[in-house]
Amino acid sequence: DAKTTQPTSMDCAEGRAANLPCNHSTISGNEYVYWYRQIHSQGPQYIIHGLKNNETNEMASLIITEDRKSSTLILPHATLRDTAVYYCIVRPSNDYKLSFGAGTTVTVRA
Amino acid sequence: SQTIHQWPATLVQPVGSPLSLECTVEGTSNPNLYWYRQAAGRGLQLLFYSVGIGQISSEVPQNLSASRPQDRQFILSSKKLLLSDSGFYLCAWSVRGVGQPQHFGDGTRLSIL
Repeated sequence: DAKTTQPTSMDCAEGRAANLPCNHSTISGNEYVYWYRQIHSQGPQYIIHGLKNNETNEMASLIITEDRKSSTLILPHATLRDTAVYYCIVRPSNDYKLSFGAGTTVTVRA
Repeated sequence: SQTIHQWPATLVQPVGSPLSLECTVEGTSNPNLYWYRQAAGRGLQLLFYSVGIGQISSEVPQNLSASRPQDRQFILSSKKLLLSDSGFYLCAWSVRGVGQPQHFGDGTRLSIL
């Protein structure tokens, strides 16, 4: 029962912004949106999360639509080290479990 | 800043042998702690979580157990490993509170022969 839909893969150019979309049309009012990434053979790395408002930190920006049915992760200046699988996850505030789907394989090219 | 340590990074064990994987967190107090497993080609599966010393909740029935003897220490164990226990084991921590994100360690890659 996938709660999010992401493209299977995408390429982006080094130095350009990478915009990663995620659909979560069945999201509930108490569910947060989280973004993680996983580089091969490493543990998932937390990037950013949000509930309703747009969020920004040192790694990325998260844009959540007003109806909360979709979101976009923005990596402002992609580098080769940003090549990874990116996961968009929706989780209720009262649940401990993070459910990782297939994610988007992002390849940053020089 | 907070850090999480898992060891060993890789482990090869025979079927039927015992297992002990350790995870420690530094730089925070009273964290929630988690054990996940990632089987080859599959997503992460939450195995156990703990909200305090001695408090363990199991998400799925399995051949493994978890313990939390100290506030920032989380141990995953088995008395007798099965072939199906192979996988990538990840420990994670989070601050207590609504919606707090989980932060993962670098994992232990376990192969059962």
